[in-house]
Amino acid sequence: QITLKESGPTLVKPTQTLTLTCTFSGFSLSTSGVGVGWIRQPPGKALEWLALIYWDDDNRYSPSLKSRLTITKDTSKNQVVLTMTNMDPVDTATYYCAHSPLWGMDVWGQGTTVTVSS
Amino acid sequence: EIVMTQSPATLSVSPGERATLSCRASQSVSSNLAWYQQKPGQAPRLLIYGASTRATGIPARFSGSASGTEFTLTISSLQSEDFAVYYCQQYNNWPRTFGQGTKVEIK
Repeated sequence: QITLKESGPTLVKPTQTLTLTCTFSGFSLSTSGVGVGWIRQPPGKALEWLALIYWDDDNRYSPSLKSRLTITKDTSKNQVVLTMTNMDPVDTATYYCAHSPLWGMDVWGQGTTVTVSS
Repeated sequence: EIVMTQSPATLSVSPGERATLSCRASQSVSSNLAWYQQKPGQAPRLLIYGASTRATGIPARFSGSASGTEFTLTISSLQSEDFAVYYCQQYNNWPRTFGQGTKVEIK
């Protein structure tokens, strides 16, 4: 059974760097074809795809956020970390990680809510 | 970037009726299209991938189809648990992009 869980701060100040960790079980990020992605959802708004990392370290980012995002993996810890720099109140959202095989996002974490406020 | 446009924004349907949701891609995404269901306070759940393949455990009343850049999610007979927001997503090109969602509400 695949599970994922997001963790990180619930409140960050403007200009700070956000670091979110996705801890997963039930699969290995060293298996061919496997990836973990990050998606966010501002309150009352639609889903926004942010980034994805594959088993072979191929990284992909949303072009509009690419300069602010870094995604890394620690295969031994079964974790994927997303960092987002220069946080702004418009980045307030629920952040999800998801198991991402080549054909979509088939298992999602419960999400973690991040508020950006001074 | 591929833009995914969903219609309608809101669909009012009575329980037991059929619901038809649309999603249009701004360019070809082949069959690399997924549908997700999201209920309030919950994470999205994958319903359909490959435009028409049901994900594990998804009831047969959910079906997907495609015609060129137009994709359709059909719920044949709405159950109470199906009232939710539905998103389409293309995974053919980078960046992956979602539609803005269709809310299916009780009529």
